[in-house]
Amino acid sequence: SQKIEQNSEALNIQEGKTATLTCNYTNYSPAYLQWYRQDPGRGPVFLLLIRENEKEKRKERLKVTFDTTLKQSLFHITASQPADSATYLCALDNFNKFYFGSGTKLNVKP
Amino acid sequence: EAGVTQFPSHSVIEKGQTVTLRCDPISGHDNLYWYRRVMGKEIKFLLHFVKESKQDESGMPNNRFLAERTGGTYSTLKVQPAELEDSGVYFCASSLVGWGDTQYFGPGTRLTVL
Repeated sequence: SQKIEQNSEALNIQEGKTATLTCNYTNYSPAYLQWYRQDPGRGPVFLLLIRENEKEKRKERLKVTFDTTLKQSLFHITASQPADSATYLCALDNFNKFYFGSGTKLNVKP
Repeated sequence: EAGVTQFPSHSVIEKGQTVTLRCDPISGHDNLYWYRRVMGKEIKFLLHFVKESKQDESGMPNNRFLAERTGGTYSTLKVQPAELEDSGVYFCASSLVGWGDTQYFGPGTRLTVL
C-alpha cells in the first residue's frame, strides 16, 4: 500500500515568510493529491487538490506542486500569518480511498 | 448549509463494552467515509459508503467493527466488544461526487477505551 511521508518535525517560521511543506510518497502516483489543514480538536479542512497531469495549482496565498517523477508534492504558503499556524496534511486519493500523511505542524511567529 | 456532524464528541468506555458512533453527512452527499486516527499515527481509511451500499470496507480492522448507513442518510459505526487498541479519534467525511472530489470532515469522536 501507499506510504506517505511528511516531515514530523514542526516548521517554525517568521510572519511574512514563505512556508514550504513536503509530502513524499512511495509506490504509484495517485490520480489526485489533496492538502488539508487541521486545527486541534477539529476535523481536516480541504485546501487544494492537484491532478497528476498538473504541475502546479494556486489559490490566493497557497501553491501546490506535484512532481510524479520525484513522487513529491510541495505546499507553499506565501506571506504567512500567525493564523496559518496549524497541522497540514497531504492525502493521496486512490479511487475513493484516501491515504493520509501524518501531517506537519506549522508555527508562524509574529 | 450544515456541515458534517458527529455524535458523541467524546466517549469513554470500559474494555468489553459496546459503543456506537453516529455521523450525519452534508445533505445530498451520497458518499460517506469513516476514518480513524490512533495516537501518534496518521488518519487511516476504514470504509466508504455510496448511499446505503458499502463500496469499500477494506480498512475495517476486524469483525468487531460494524458500519451501517440505513436509508443512505446518516451512518453508525459500532464497536463490539471494544478493546484498548480501539482508542483514537474517529472521523467521518462526506462528498458529493466521490473520487477526485473534496471530502468534508466532521469534528471527530474521541473514543477512549479503559
